[in-house]
Amino acid sequence: GNSVTQMEGPVTLSEEAFLTINCTYTATGYPSLFWYVQYPGEGLQLLLKATKADDKGSNKGFEATYRKETTSFHLEKGSVQVSDSAVYFCALSDKGGGADGLTFGKGTHLIIQP
Amino acid sequence: EPEVTQTPSHQVTQMGQEVILRCVPISNHLYFYWYRQILGQKVEFLVSFYNNEISEKSEIFDDQFSVERPDGSNFTLKIRSTKLEDSAMYFCASRRSSQSTDTQYFGPGTRLTVL
Repeated sequence: GNSVTQMEGPVTLSEEAFLTINCTYTATGYPSLFWYVQYPGEGLQLLLKATKADDKGSNKGFEATYRKETTSFHLEKGSVQVSDSAVYFCALSDKGGGADGLTFGKGTHLIIQP
Repeated sequence: EPEVTQTPSHQVTQMGQEVILRCVPISNHLYFYWYRQILGQKVEFLVSFYNNEISEKSEIFDDQFSVERPDGSNFTLKIRSTKLEDSAMYFCASRRSSQSTDTQYFGPGTRLTVL
């Protein structure tokens, strides 16, 4: 079956540090890949996505590249801010036809200290 | 910007009671989903719904769960006889099309506490 593995948190960084959150996946088909973010007390928000190999998703300074050869979709940001503190979920969608629930990783809690 | 809404934000119930969690998906979306997140754990898929019927369900979605679209706007999740282990955050999501590349938009969640 499908699965997503993320690095365990919490990840604690200082403001302006470089961020990498690792995500690898296994899928039976050719999935679309997503990063969702959950700010304290809120629901899940789509951060970025990529739908085919070598695609790069980007938003709010975050980037992730769909690497089929390494089955990875690592999230990066060059300079983090305190406001980036949240839980980040890597997810995949592996079926067409609309009947596809997302498969999520366990989430990585990111803490940015001023 | 249109968004998915959920009510209530927090529901407290006694074990064995029935609860109904409500969602209003984005108006032009056709595919609807429920997920749950037990505290500290990952988000898990429960069920997807299209054209007034269940499209897919996970092994978590057993006979105590049911979903319904009672009118043109609401999408509900009913838990027939709640158990302590049903305590979780429940998220509704909707999507416009059948394309797997299309984004699922999530609501803010309902926190269910079973005592």
